[in-house]
Amino acid sequence: AQSVTQPDIHITVSEGASLELRCNYSYGATPYLFWYVQSPGQGLQLLLKYFSGDTLVQGIKGFEAEFKRSQSSFNLRKPSVHWSDAAEYFCAVGGSWGYQKVTFGTGTKLQVIP
Amino acid sequence: NAGVTQTPKFQVLKTGQSMTLQCAQDMNHEYMSWYRQDPGMGLRLIHYSVGAGITDQGEVPNGYNVSRSTTEDFPLRLLSAAPSQTSVYFCASSYSDREDGYTFGSGTRLTVV
Repeated sequence: AQSVTQPDIHITVSEGASLELRCNYSYGATPYLFWYVQSPGQGLQLLLKYFSGDTLVQGIKGFEAEFKRSQSSFNLRKPSVHWSDAAEYFCAVGGSWGYQKVTFGTGTKLQVIP
Repeated sequence: NAGVTQTPKFQVLKTGQSMTLQCAQDMNHEYMSWYRQDPGMGLRLIHYSVGAGITDQGEVPNGYNVSRSTTEDFPLRLLSAAPSQTSVYFCASSYSDREDGYTFGSGTRLTVV
């Protein structure tokens, strides 16, 4: 069965610092990978996705993620964090077989300090 | 604005009551899903639909029913509410079954007392 692990429950960074959120997945074939962001009281918004091609993908709000098959990872990065990036971030994996039953990680809550 | 609309935003039920959470999308998406979000557990799939008239169970379907009579609507029914169903419920839709990613509604916060 497919699974996603986000090892960091909570991360605190200073505004202007760089950010990396970790995501490890388990899937038997080529996965479809996603990062979503959830602001308090809101639904999830798609940041970026990967399913083939260039392993470095660019998303909205200045985020990027790199797919590393050898490490089964899909880490999210941002070079300079803004206070408005404070939110919860979810990594998700979907399959290439039939309907895309997407499995979500448990999330990483990002706090940004001035 | 195009998107996924969920109603109500908040609901309190007594144990044993039934209710329907509404979800509607106006993007002509074929694929729709219901998730519940609980602290420390991420999102878990309850039921999903790949088109009008076609539904299937997800990871945690017990206690919930769905139907999909139109492309636009995908209601979630709680048959007999239990405290374990206290959660935040999200409806999501997508155009394709793989590449697009989901568009989420803003959620329904349900408390069962």
